[in-house]
Amino acid sequence: GAGVSQSPSNKVTEKGKDVELRCDPISGHTALYWYRQSLGQGLEFLIYFQGNSAPDKSGLPSDRFSAERTGGSVSTLTIQRTQQEDSAVYLCASSPRWGDTQYFGPGTRLTVL
Amino acid sequence: AQTVTQSQPEMSVQEAETVTLSCTYDTSESDYYLFWYKQPPSRQMILVIRQEAYKQQNATENRFSVNFQKAAKSFSLKISDSQLGDAAMYFCAYRSPSLGGSRLTFGEGTQLTVNP
Repeated sequence: GAGVSQSPSNKVTEKGKDVELRCDPISGHTALYWYRQSLGQGLEFLIYFQGNSAPDKSGLPSDRFSAERTGGSVSTLTIQRTQQEDSAVYLCASSPRWGDTQYFGPGTRLTVL
Repeated sequence: AQTVTQSQPEMSVQEAETVTLSCTYDTSESDYYLFWYKQPPSRQMILVIRQEAYKQQNATENRFSVNFQKAAKSFSLKISDSQLGDAAMYFCAYRSPSLGGSRLTFGEGTQLTVNP
């Protein structure tokens, strides 16, 4: 079946603008994760959704970052008032349920000018 | 908090040869999961192999195998009969079994080059 998809593949924005990154998990997967991959920080966990439970937002670096998951499927990561340090690859992963192996999407490369 | 360390930023291997990538981790938990992921230039993270800490037997997947040393907190990946398509960044990752620990903690990565 189809894997995890993310859009856009690349996004260039100007400092101060808001951006939305989208993730479509594998159908039927109840758990969804966002990670950030940057040169200085490596791979960092951002947020985790599991079914209808409250998300684990403990990895979000600031209140400019937020995410939602509608209908237990598609997720959107929003970054408000982007800064240059937000430039990174944002990776989404899903798993059939909590604790299972995570399957990753191809990522969105965000460049903030 | 758990930490994962990959001490080899870069490794190279000749095609058809064997290479071993190192990974160590720090945890106070007795049960956990360890993973090796591969990330080619396409950016897609691909699961290579998975090991449950409660299993003494080392995991194997075709040409990929691990040497899991629980007491030493070491989890190395051996790639046998290396192929050009194995060239990628390899990440070691840790996951706690606890309900709040579903996130993966990654090492810094090892860039593997395969020479023809």
